[in-house]
Amino acid sequence: DVKVTQSSRYLVKRTGEKVFLECVQDMDHENMFWYRQDPGLGLRLIYFSYDVKMKEKGDIPEGYSVSREKKERFSLILESASTNQTSMYLCASSPYSGGVSYNEQFFGPGTRLTVL
Amino acid sequence: AQSVTQLGSHVSVSEGALVLLRCNYSSSVPPYLFWYVQYPNQGLQLLLKYTSAATLVKGINGFEAEFKKSETSFHLTKPSAHMSDAAEYFCAAPTGAGSYQLTFGKGTKLSVIP
Repeated sequence: DVKVTQSSRYLVKRTGEKVFLECVQDMDHENMFWYRQDPGLGLRLIYFSYDVKMKEKGDIPEGYSVSREKKERFSLILESASTNQTSMYLCASSPYSGGVSYNEQFFGPGTRLTVL
Repeated sequence: AQSVTQLGSHVSVSEGALVLLRCNYSSSVPPYLFWYVQYPNQGLQLLLKYTSAATLVKGINGFEAEFKKSETSFHLTKPSAHMSDAAEYFCAAPTGAGSYQLTFGKGTKLSVIP
């Protein structure tokens, strides 16, 4: 079974702190994604990566950055946390098969971040 | 660009009643569609997926969905609701042809009344 793990289930940080959210997948997937989930807004894509050291902005990248130094690990960084970044953060990965990306994504358990 | 619409942010059914959760998409290129389920304080879990092999797709926990190209719909059904079905359900489709990304609907929270 594909396993996607996230470093923390719950995290409380103070405004202005630098926050690192880590995600690791064990199935050698090429693609990795970071979403935030807020009530009534569904899942919104922050960043995704289709290869090591490659990244693409999603729909809401402002205030975030990412790092992918190894294929299995994708980190989300909040450079200076703010209260409006309080949210559930979900990491996902997906394989790339031949000339067509199959798109099925496998999700981690989520990190509920509270910024005070 | 792809858009995915789920009608009804909250749906309540009685235990044993039919579950129907609606999903409409705007573009069927490529024709892959997904339903995910999220239990409280957990990540999303794949419920079922449509990959052009058959229009009626069976998933886990007795759920199924039917792809209707003419209606651009992919509604999720279950004949008899169980208390354990209470969760949030998300429909998703590829953002575009050749895209790695998925576009998700805003979700439907299902409540099951005993």
